[in-house]
Amino acid sequence: DTAVSQTPKYLVTQMGNDKSIKCEQNLGHDTMYWYKQDSKKFLKIMFSYNNKELIINETVPNRFSPKSPDKAHLNLHINSLELGDSAVYFCASSQERGRVTDTQYFGPGTRLTVL
Amino acid sequence: DAKTTQPTSMDCAEGRAANLPCNHSTISGNEYVYWYRQIHSQGPQYIIHGLKNNETNEMASLIITEDRKSSTLILPHATLRDTAVYYCIVRVAGHNAGNNRKLIWGLGTSLAVNP
Repeated sequence: DTAVSQTPKYLVTQMGNDKSIKCEQNLGHDTMYWYKQDSKKFLKIMFSYNNKELIINETVPNRFSPKSPDKAHLNLHINSLELGDSAVYFCASSQERGRVTDTQYFGPGTRLTVL
Repeated sequence: DAKTTQPTSMDCAEGRAANLPCNHSTISGNEYVYWYRQIHSQGPQYIIHGLKNNETNEMASLIITEDRKSSTLILPHATLRDTAVYYCIVRVAGHNAGNNRKLIWGLGTSLAVNP
């Protein structure tokens, strides 16, 4: 069974479009994350939700809006896509409550290409 | 910025031990050392973490120096499937760490295991 899944795996779209990436985890974790990995392979955190509450919000354009309908899902909606948004986006989850340390489990990634 | 420095790349012969070093000279007392790896085109995968003591699991061993300013990840019998980028990350842990709990990624060490 897939622990952290993302859809779609590949996304090719035109500049200016709006798109969404979906993430689901079946690990029962209470915290989920979105990361962006650019062409230089830096992995940067974008957002983190704990029990549907936003707890980390890095300096990300407000064209990016995360949405967590429940603690097993964290979707990423991107408005007015730009060329610089082309990257691989990774979703991750971890169990924060009751833990001193935790490990993050990552999804397979969504490769977004903006033309 | 990442709080760790790692060699850009390393080679290892299949079947031999791979020793991956990491410097974290500014590590704080409440920061753990985490190791993740990313196999090409996949999401990052947790390997191991530790605070002060050496740690071992089914994947690897983690040796942390007494002053905690550096550590070494050991893959005891490297296989071709261990070819990946290995990331060393220091991270605050604790129930009230809040935003400080995020992982800050460097560029890691690209390990090539050769037949």
